[in-house]
Amino acid sequence: GAVVSQHPSWVICKSGTSVKIECRSLDFQATTMFWYRQFPKQSLMLMATSNEGSKATYEQGVEKDKFLINHASLTLSTLTVTSAHPEDSSFYICSARDLARLEGNTQYFGPGTRLTVL
Amino acid sequence: QQQVKQSPQSLIVQKGGISIINCAYENTAFDYFPWYQQFPGKGPALLIAIRPDVSEKKEGRFTISFNKSAKQFSLHIMDSQPGDSATYFCAARSSGSARQLTFGSGTQLTVLP
Repeated sequence: GAVVSQHPSWVICKSGTSVKIECRSLDFQATTMFWYRQFPKQSLMLMATSNEGSKATYEQGVEKDKFLINHASLTLSTLTVTSAHPEDSSFYICSARDLARLEGNTQYFGPGTRLTVL
Repeated sequence: QQQVKQSPQSLIVQKGGISIINCAYENTAFDYFPWYQQFPGKGPALLIAIRPDVSEKKEGRFTISFNKSAKQFSLHIMDSQPGDSATYFCAARSSGSARQLTFGSGTQLTVLP
């Protein structure tokens, strides 16, 4: 149980284009999902908290107009990187919180999406 | 502001040895402390977690030791195996409504055969 999937697992795009990344909780409902960014050999940095049916909460320094988050259902959140630039190349990871589990609303992570912007 | 400090940055251990990774935090509002294991190109996977009202938790070869007064916690991997070679992140969860995780900087563990 508690499986989180991401699609695509990797994507290469041209500078200036937009890329959408999907995050799905496969066997549980997640009212809250989180989006992280990870550069090589670095830690995970929280970008935003996505709440089902409401606007996402962005961390300081994260451009909400560039990183569009939509959490339309209890099992799906999407991150759209708009007008991507090479500096947006990174590993994007989502996580979902399973409220039904007893152990502290544990966050379960997706496998990540490698974005490369040419 | 780094709220969770993790050390060492890298660790090399012989097969069968004990791997120890340490973390320290400052925010007393943290109420849940998980450890994650991450292999290259993969997302983090929950390894083991502890609440601050418990001083130790053991699951198989993995043990968390928690010192609330010192605001420190550590992961011990007993009988380390080459398959344990990965990056380990400690984390701390805020007690607020968002329940966000703050991650340590990570420790790259290499277990030599």
